Amino acid sequence: DAKTTQPTSMDCAEGRAANLPCNHSTISGNEYVYWYRQIHSQGPQYIIHGLKNNETNEMASLIITEDRKSSTLILPHATLRDTAVYYCIVGYSTLTFGKGTMLLVSP
Amino acid sequence: SQTIHQWPATLVQPVGSPLSLECTVEGTSNPNLYWYRQAAGRGLQLLFYSVGIGQISSEVPQNLSASRPQDRQFILSSKKLLLSDSGFYLCAWSNSGQWDRRAGELFFGEGSRLTVL
Repeated sequence: DAKTTQPTSMDCAEGRAANLPCNHSTISGNEYVYWYRQIHSQGPQYIIHGLKNNETNEMASLIITEDRKSSTLILPHATLRDTAVYYCIVGYSTLTFGKGTMLLVSP
Repeated sequence: SQTIHQWPATLVQPVGSPLSLECTVEGTSNPNLYWYRQAAGRGLQLLFYSVGIGQISSEVPQNLSASRPQDRQFILSSKKLLLSDSGFYLCAWSNSGQWDRRAGELFFGEGSRLTVL
């Protein structure tokens, strides 16, 4: 059973921020929230993860709600190369990938 | 730096034939190793993971097996392939350590696309 819920697809204009939501209402106390993305025919790429606090790295920002039941991945300035399937996963080391969100960045 | 390689990249096999996919990691020691499969139009399914030599955990019952003969080598095998074994197979590694907060940062190989006819 999926532990996360994500929209099937989203659109974003190039240069704008892409905000990808994820619900994980059954997350347990020691589980992290991970985000990966997969460009067609390639292996998934790690983006970011967090436990309780918001996180930021060179790729994205992760906002986790205080109750940890949902999170948002933010790509601050989306480019065409950000078009991919984005996976939100909760877990520790053995991660189960769902179907993710297909993000289409358009010119 | 760490690298992961898996091969072959593409293969077409008849039903009932054996399978061997190999994955090796360089630049790290005692990694956690994983095999995932992605069927057409579906998400990634975790097949096997290993926390050490000879230690294999299977996530789903199936026609496949995995082995870890060396610290940085992970092999996916089948004695007789089924049509349903077709898919995109991905090997991945992560840092080990029960309390390593980076244990879920998986680094994936290039993938092996298997077509069973």
